Amino acid sequence: QSVLTQPPSASGTPGQRVTISCSGSSSNIGSNYVYWYQQLPGTAPKLLIYRNNQRPSGVPDRFSGSKSGTSASLAISGLRSEDEADYYCAAWDDSLSGPAVFGGGTQLTVL
Amino acid sequence: QVQLVESGGGVVQPGGSLRLSCAASGFTFSSYGMHWVRQAPGKGLEWVAFIRYDGSNKYYADSVKGRFTISRDNSKNTLYLQMNSLRAEDTAVYYCAKDIGIDTMVQTWGQGTLVTVSS
Repeated sequence: QSVLTQPPSASGTPGQRVTISCSGSSSNIGSNYVYWYQQLPGTAPKLLIYRNNQRPSGVPDRFSGSKSGTSASLAISGLRSEDEADYYCAAWDDSLSGPAVFGGGTQLTVL
Repeated sequence: QVQLVESGGGVVQPGGSLRLSCAASGFTFSSYGMHWVRQAPGKGLEWVAFIRYDGSNKYYADSVKGRFTISRDNSKNTLYLQMNSLRAEDTAVYYCAKDIGIDTMVQTWGQGTLVTVSS
């Protein structure tokens, strides 16, 4: 059972806009930044969004992040086949012994 | 560019020990905190441990506290994870990861090394 809750799966057709939610609590998302990671099949994760809505250089602006209260969302617009991957949210949790907690991950399928 | 290369994974019996290493290059290793994150087969990501840039503070997930030890050698640009009293549930790909610096969160990941705990 992950501290951050994500839907296990999501799907969309090419060109569509899809969103992936991440729900937490006041000790993590509610008081800290949210990060998002993309894991393509068979590869290591890659940083997609940092500090709620910032994109590292090289990440297309089709990817965007937002946060409201104790929840966050990742939006992908103009969906492409290469976006098919697992997506994880993460945040610092003030109530735990260590810095980071991850969501359980959302498997995105491009139909 | 940043490169993180893990080594030391393998098959170990329950109760055994293993030491993972992570060779870092492409950035000033001694200026950044470092993480270990693991992923059990077919499962999600689980943060394991973090060490500050100078080794002054270390943090562990409750699931590994007292059994795993994170350390670093800044003169060798190398991160370590000593794993003792291994259990079947420790079976996973272990990723070495560079901290982003502005927050204590992962920025860049290595390719991972597989640890299998089985008799």
